[in-house]
Parts: sequence; C-alpha cells; structure tokens
Amino acid sequence: GEDVEQSLFLSVREGDSSVINCTYTDSSSTYLYWYKQEPGAGLQLLTYIFSNMDMKQDQRLTVLLNKKDKHLSLRIADTQTGDSAIYFCAEKKGANAGKSTFGDGTTLTVKP
Amino acid sequence: DAGVTQSPTHLIKTRGQHVTLRCSPISGHKSVSWYQQVLGQGPQFIFQYYEKEERGRGNFPDRFSARQFPNYSSELNVNALLLGDSALYLCASSSDPEWQPQHFGDGTRLSIL
Repeated sequence: GEDVEQSLFLSVREGDSSVINCTYTDSSSTYLYWYKQEPGAGLQLLTYIFSNMDMKQDQRLTVLLNKKDKHLSLRIADTQTGDSAIYFCAEKKGANAGKSTFGDGTTLTVKP
Repeated sequence: DAGVTQSPTHLIKTRGQHVTLRCSPISGHKSVSWYQQVLGQGPQFIFQYYEKEERGRGNFPDRFSARQFPNYSSELNVNALLLGDSALYLCASSSDPEWQPQHFGDGTRLSIL
C-alpha cells in the first residue's frame, strides 16, 4: 500500500521479543490495526488502537503509536514459533468508512 | 459464533469468463467490504456496502461490481476476467464501519488460466 509502509522481513529467536514497525502518511487516520495472516488463510485481527491513544497492551502484544512521526509498532513478547506469519499494519479514516489501507506486510520468522 | 464465511474457497477460470464470489458476514454485522490481495502484497480495497448501499469504491475497473442483500450477505462479480485478476479475494464485515474494526474471512483464491 502506498500510504502505509512496513519492512518486509523480521527474524527472531523463540522467547525473544519481536518489534514490527509501520509508518503511515495520513494524519487524519482514526484507527490503526494489526492483522496476522498465516499461509492459506485470511486476516486475523490482532489488535487496534484509536488515534488519540499512545499505547495499548493486550497480553503479549503491545502497540505504540507516535502520531507526530506517524509511526506505529507492534511488540510481541516471548515470541513463539506459532507467531511465525505475515503481519499487516492498516489504517482507517473515519470519513471514508469501511476502507482500510494496508501495508505490504512483514514476514516474521521465529527460529527455535 | 460463526465468523465471516466466503464461498467458494478456490476457483479456476479462464480469461474472458465471469465469476461471482459470495460472502456471509458475522451475524449482526451490516457492513461488508471486499479486498483483493495479490501474492506478496497487502489487501487492496475494492468495495464497501453498508445497509445495502454502496459506501465506498476503490480504484478498480467497471468490470468489478458488487451488491448486498437484505440479509446483509454480499456478492462480488467480476466480468471479462484477465490474468491479472488472479488473487485472493477477501471479504470483511463490521457492525459499524466507522467505529468498529473489520473481521475478515479466509478468502476465495481465484486463479485465471
């Protein structure tokens, strides 16, 4: 997606923390999402953050939002081999309801 | 509760043919959106319907059309198929398109020969 950028690959060891980064361009974005896609499957909603928040934590997942730099990150604590997948960052603008703009995904590989 | 269901799961067509893909949203969800995901890329927005009306359209040619039925299920139609239409077509639903996140189905894998 031209408005959302992510690094393509990330490799970590099992038990380490993973940090997946995303930058977006539209400051009017209202929601920012993280989705997970496993091979042959659709997108699973992991977590999301409203644009007026700086941080959201949900079990092993921590989302950080820096609105000034238009930077979003997803931290996965104690990464497991089952976390290996493609992770997509997406933004949604309230004025354009129902449309989310996605990055091209970050492939996370977890090595035992 | 059942999630978003899409049918068929896989489909093979030839150039010039027509295809209809179907989507049933999560019970109670009135908004349905369609996305195209080409291999190696993120999903691209095609259409969004809410309460049976088109609320958004992405940058896709007129060969692509969709509709939403009174039970909020939806169809995506693609005419005059091209090789470049080969992709995973994803349907997503939400209870409120502005304030609630979208939940995706597993998609229909369309291959054009």
